[in-house]
Amino acid sequence: DAKTTQPTSMDCAEGRAANLPCNHSTISGNEYVYWYRQIHSQGPQYIIHGLKNNETNEMASLIITEDRKSSTLILPHATLRDTAVYYCIVRALTGGGNKLTFGTGTQLKVEL
Amino acid sequence: DTAVSQTPKYLVTQMGNDKSIKCEQNLGHDTMYWYKQDSKKFLKIMFSYNNKELIINETVPNRFSPKSPDKAHLNLHINSLELGDSAVYFCASSQGLRNSPLHFGNGTRLTVT
Repeated sequence: DAKTTQPTSMDCAEGRAANLPCNHSTISGNEYVYWYRQIHSQGPQYIIHGLKNNETNEMASLIITEDRKSSTLILPHATLRDTAVYYCIVRALTGGGNKLTFGTGTQLKVEL
Repeated sequence: DTAVSQTPKYLVTQMGNDKSIKCEQNLGHDTMYWYKQDSKKFLKIMFSYNNKELIINETVPNRFSPKSPDKAHLNLHINSLELGDSAVYFCASSQGLRNSPLHFGNGTRLTVT
C-alpha cells in the first residue's frame, strides 16, 4: 500500500472549516484513500473514503486531486468534539483481507 | 447498544500471567480484527478472522492466540505476559474482506507490571 504524509498537527477555530491535507504521491490506480479519526481514549472511527471522485457524507467531504497524488479532508463546521487524530490511509482492494496500515496522523485541535 | 464491545476496559497484571480479552460485535459482520496501539500511538494490525477463519496473522509472538467461537466473537488470549505487551488493544469488525469500513471498539488498556 502507498505511503501517506500528513502534517503532525493543525489548529482550527470552532465553527470554521477544517481542511486536513494528505500527500500520497506514490498511489497507484487501484488504491483507495480512506480517512479515520481517533478521539482521545476511543477506538478509531471511519469517516469517508474515495477512489478518484470527490465524496461527501454527513461527517465530511473528501477532495482528491485529479492526479490523485494528494487529498484533503474537509470538516465543514468544526466543533470541539472534532478534536482528534486524523489518519489518511491508502490501500488497494486486493486480496489479503482488509488490512489498514495507520500512520502517525494529524492531531487536529479545535478551539473556541 | 454498543456495536463493538470489548471487555475488560482496563487490565493490570503481572509478568508471566495469562490473560484474555473478549470482543463481541452486534453488527452482523463476518470479519473481525485485533489491533495493537503502543505507547507511541502506532496502530498495528495483529490478526483478522473472516467467518471464523484466520486470514491475517502479522508477525505476532505465538504467546498471542486469537480464538473465534463464532462470527460475532473474537477473543485474544495472551500467555506469559511481558512488560512489552503493555498497550491498548482494539477489536474491530467489518463486512467482507474488501473496502467496507472497519468499526472499532473502545479498546482494552493492558498494563503489565
